[in-house]
Amino acid sequence: AQKVTQAQTEISVVEKEDVTLDCVYETRDTTYYLFWYKQPPSGELVFLIRRNSFDEQNEISGRYSWNFQKSTSSFNFTITASQVVDSAVYFCALSDSGSGNTGKLIFGQGTTLQVKP
Amino acid sequence: GAVVSQHPSRVICKSGTSVKIECRSLDFQATTMFWYRQFPKQSLMLMATSNEGSKATYEQGVEKDKFLINHASLTLSTLTVTSAHPEDSSFYICSASRHSSGFYNEQFFGPGTRLTVL
Repeated sequence: AQKVTQAQTEISVVEKEDVTLDCVYETRDTTYYLFWYKQPPSGELVFLIRRNSFDEQNEISGRYSWNFQKSTSSFNFTITASQVVDSAVYFCALSDSGSGNTGKLIFGQGTTLQVKP
Repeated sequence: GAVVSQHPSRVICKSGTSVKIECRSLDFQATTMFWYRQFPKQSLMLMATSNEGSKATYEQGVEKDKFLINHASLTLSTLTVTSAHPEDSSFYICSASRHSSGFYNEQFFGPGTRLTVL
């Protein structure tokens, strides 16, 4: 069965703090894709990253970094030196071959990040 | 880039009326379109998957007669909420996918439609 768990419902930090959002997934497939999306108050989903199961290299993009560990089925997201504009709901998502090659996404519950000035 | 639009962005209707939401892929032909529903402070829940020219595949628990999906072309899918009631008030998001590489189909999201049923 496919499942994505984001155990942190809400996180509150003060600006310039580093923050890590956790994501744990379950899949029986060896080939799958993991995603992170940002949903600001406007509601529109913003794509942040896609990672395939064969690429365990960590990725850094500006203040954002991602740590993919297949051994623990985790795909954690870290924001360094957080800013007020980072305040949003962040979703982790999974797509595997169980989706019938349609690209169907299974979303985690989401983590609401509040960055205070 | 790949752009997906939704219309309307916001709709308020009276209980018992039907509401149609359009989802268009503006600059690509979508192999598949998806409809999601998101209640306040909750995650996106997939309602149905639709392919052009065929019947939509609904997720368990989603009433197909309540939420009618028509996928008229490779760039247009519509979701009609029939006889809407206050409990149908939600944020409806569509996405359109196109083949990328391997088995992967890249998915692009619309901006969402906020439905309020009075």
